[in-house]
Amino acid sequence: QKEVEQDPGPLSVPEGAIVSLNCTYSNSAFQYFMWYRQYSRKGPELLMYTYSSGNKEDGRFTAQVDKSSKYISLFIRDSQPSDSATYLCARGGGGYQKVTFGIGTKLQVIP
Amino acid sequence: KAGVTQTPRYLIKTRGQQVTLSCSPISGHRSVSWYQQTPGQGLQFLFEYFSETQRNKGNFPGRFSGRQFSNSRSEMNVSTLELGDSALYLCASRTLTGGTDEQYFGPGTRLTVT
Repeated sequence: QKEVEQDPGPLSVPEGAIVSLNCTYSNSAFQYFMWYRQYSRKGPELLMYTYSSGNKEDGRFTAQVDKSSKYISLFIRDSQPSDSATYLCARGGGGYQKVTFGIGTKLQVIP
Repeated sequence: KAGVTQTPRYLIKTRGQQVTLSCSPISGHRSVSWYQQTPGQGLQFLFEYFSETQRNKGNFPGRFSGRQFSNSRSEMNVSTLELGDSALYLCASRTLTGGTDEQYFGPGTRLTVT
């Protein structure tokens, strides 16, 4: 079992839709979770960072962590064509644990 | 604060040659990680350095090596290049202070092996 599982998609939605991107993780010891956005041929950009359980909101983006089910989600409200990218979830362990990534979900927002 | 920088941005090499890639982390970050990214493979972890010591290593052959200097800058070396080494190589620096763990990527070096 991979440490972080993520559906690669692709996921196509119409402009203005609410997008839900999800990952599951296997090791409950980790407490730091990140979402990255990667445009084609660019480096990943850190979008959201969360610690422990609960929600974190930043503009149109909401990151959610459910530690009881080992589930992390990213919601994008009022999606725009500029949101079309690959979204990667990651978990960090702090200390000496390396950051582990999901494979990434490719999102296309259609005008 | 300046972000993670990588040089060169693009590189074309021939099979059998060796290559060295450079990374400068965000000021104050002492952890630097390297990743290989190819289409369909996701981010493959190469290694992580912290305070000049390699403390995590991925499943890559010994042709891939790295080092970190006292100013936290890092280099990655690939010897005896193979066609399959063509990829985007990403460097990332990481905060590990103040109870946080956030990792920031550079723009990457796109290596083409012919």
